[in-house]
Amino acid sequence: DAGVTQSPTHLIKTRGQQVTLRCSPISGHKSVSWYQQVLGQGPQFIFQYYEKEERGRGNFPDRFSARQFPNYSSELNVNALLLGDSALYLCASSQGSASNQPQHFGDGTRLSIL
Amino acid sequence: QKEVEQNSGPLSVPEGAIASLNCTYSDRGSQSFFWYRQYSGKSPELIMFIYSNGDKEDGRFTAQLNKASQYVSLLIRDSQPSDSATYLCAVRQGGNEKLTFGTGTRLTIIP
Repeated sequence: DAGVTQSPTHLIKTRGQQVTLRCSPISGHKSVSWYQQVLGQGPQFIFQYYEKEERGRGNFPDRFSARQFPNYSSELNVNALLLGDSALYLCASSQGSASNQPQHFGDGTRLSIL
Repeated sequence: QKEVEQNSGPLSVPEGAIASLNCTYSDRGSQSFFWYRQYSGKSPELIMFIYSNGDKEDGRFTAQLNKASQYVSLLIRDSQPSDSATYLCAVRQGGNEKLTFGTGTRLTIIP
């Protein structure tokens, strides 16, 4: 079975632009979470969606938004990009909200802001 | 105090020896504990997860949890050069999916 798939793999943007990152969860997984990982740090939680509803939000500004579609895929949008948004953006899926099952990560999207 | 703390390393271990990675957490409400391995430039890969006090073994890996001491560890037996990576400890409270990560421990296995 396919794992979590993310697109694109790499992206270069300039300050002030907007970006959309995409994620398809493992088949049968209904929960998708987004994380930001900057170099040398552990991933930081951004959002969690389950059954198309936001179930959790991390300490990120309103420039960050996300949504989940009926097929459980998800998009992360970031507006008014700043240099500090340069990071690896990770999507993780699990079977259900608070299912006590582990999350599995995709390969990530590496976003560079010039 | 950080929510999840790990020694950043680097931790150097001879090939064939036991590597011991440690993690402490501050939230006593934490219920699930995970170890992820991350190779340079790659995404985190799940190694082990543990929910109950005690030991959990899977092949060369053993996770140990002590909720009273708020401590979780990962032992890697018969360490191989391919085990060289950054190991991330992650903690989850009950009732939500949010994972809180430590900064990771960089492990190097010396041939």
